[in-house]
Amino acid sequence: GAVVSQHPSRVICKSGTSVKIECRSLDFQATTMFWYRQFPKQSLMLMATSNEGSKATYEQGVEKDKFLINHASLTLSTLTVTSAHPEDSSFYICSARQSGAQSYNEQFFGPGTRLTVL
Amino acid sequence: AQSVSQHNHHVILSEAASLELGCNYSYGGTVNLFWYVQYPGQHLQLLLKYFSGDPLVKGIKGFEAEFIKSKFSFNLRKPSVQWSDTAEYFCAVGGWNQGGKLIFGQGTELSVKP
Repeated sequence: GAVVSQHPSRVICKSGTSVKIECRSLDFQATTMFWYRQFPKQSLMLMATSNEGSKATYEQGVEKDKFLINHASLTLSTLTVTSAHPEDSSFYICSARQSGAQSYNEQFFGPGTRLTVL
Repeated sequence: AQSVSQHNHHVILSEAASLELGCNYSYGGTVNLFWYVQYPGQHLQLLLKYFSGDPLVKGIKGFEAEFIKSKFSFNLRKPSVQWSDTAEYFCAVGGWNQGGKLIFGQGTELSVKP
């Protein structure tokens, strides 16, 4: 159980276009999902927290107008990179949190999406 | 500010050697602690977690970690590593009042030589 999927796994786009990445919890409901960015050989950097039915909370330094997050249902969150530029090329990872006091902070991670902007 | 520090950036071991990866955190309240592993080209997988109770926790693939509250540490151990343990290891900490957010350490790359 507790499987999180992401789609697409890889995407290559031209500079200036927008890219949408989907994150789904397949066998549980996730009121909260998180979006991370990972550069090569580096750790995960939290970009934003996505709560179902409300606006996302962005970390300091993350442009909310560039990285649009929508969490329209308990099993789906989307990240849209708007007007992508080469510096946005990275590995984007989502995670989903199960509710419940015992597993309050446990997150289940998706396989990630490799974005390459030409 | 909360932070997680992993002491070793790159560890190289021979098969059958023992492993200990350090993790220290800075946080003032109750914490949940995690170790994740990321094999080359794959996504993060949970190795083990600590929420409460016995500070020595056992995870998958023979890994264990010990929570030492007085030292703010959660070191990962394995008595005998295998070549297949070659991966990136991340320590993460979540605080009860942090809305479920996790703070990750910088990661430790483990290379096991056959």
